[in-house]
Amino acid sequence: AQSVTQLGSHVSVSEGALVLLRCNYSSSVPPYLFWYVQYPNQGLQLLLKYTTGATLVKGINGFEAEFKKSETSFHLTKPSAHMSDAAEYFCAVSRAWGGGADGLTFGKGTHLIIQP
Amino acid sequence: NAGVTQTPKFQVLKTGQSMTLQCAQDMNHEYMSWYRQDPGMGLRLIHYSVGAGITDQGEVPNGYNVSRSTTEDFPLRLLSAAPSQTSVYFCASSTSELAGVSNEQFFGPGTRLTVL
Repeated sequence: AQSVTQLGSHVSVSEGALVLLRCNYSSSVPPYLFWYVQYPNQGLQLLLKYTTGATLVKGINGFEAEFKKSETSFHLTKPSAHMSDAAEYFCAVSRAWGGGADGLTFGKGTHLIIQP
Repeated sequence: NAGVTQTPKFQVLKTGQSMTLQCAQDMNHEYMSWYRQDPGMGLRLIHYSVGAGITDQGEVPNGYNVSRSTTEDFPLRLLSAAPSQTSVYFCASSTSELAGVSNEQFFGPGTRLTVL
């Protein structure tokens, strides 16, 4: 069985400050890890994913995440927050490469608030 | 490509009514899934399919029925709607690992369902 825990249902940062969204997972097999972003009243957009290889993954919009097997973590960071980053962020884990077959297991989400 | 399309965008039902949420993809993806999104719960897998004629249950299948007669379409049926099924429903698709392409799950724009 797999599970994902996102620490903090709401995170507030000032514009220009570091963004850190935490994600811890559990998986009985080597995991594939994903971060998705959801803007209000929209669907989900993939920010980045870890499958194999380099543990530091760069995504769109200046976000990156580091896979740490020893800590079972996949935290999302961005050096400097922008107002347009305000959204809901979901961490997800899958046993399958593309997140396919039996789908993704999602965390409960973190609402990122950007203060001007 | 239109990607993953869902209809309708919004729907209001009365308790006990039945309806079908439509999902179609034009990317020739083998895998398709249905999720529901509820506040503070993230997304939870309802049903998934690995190809035409093959479906399986996810985490929260009760009250829902699916079939996959073609690669393109994966409708979700509510047999007798209940207020607990008020939610936002997302359909997703992806390629199989055998396709040899590292791919993501593509999500549709969602259907917002209210059951009175």
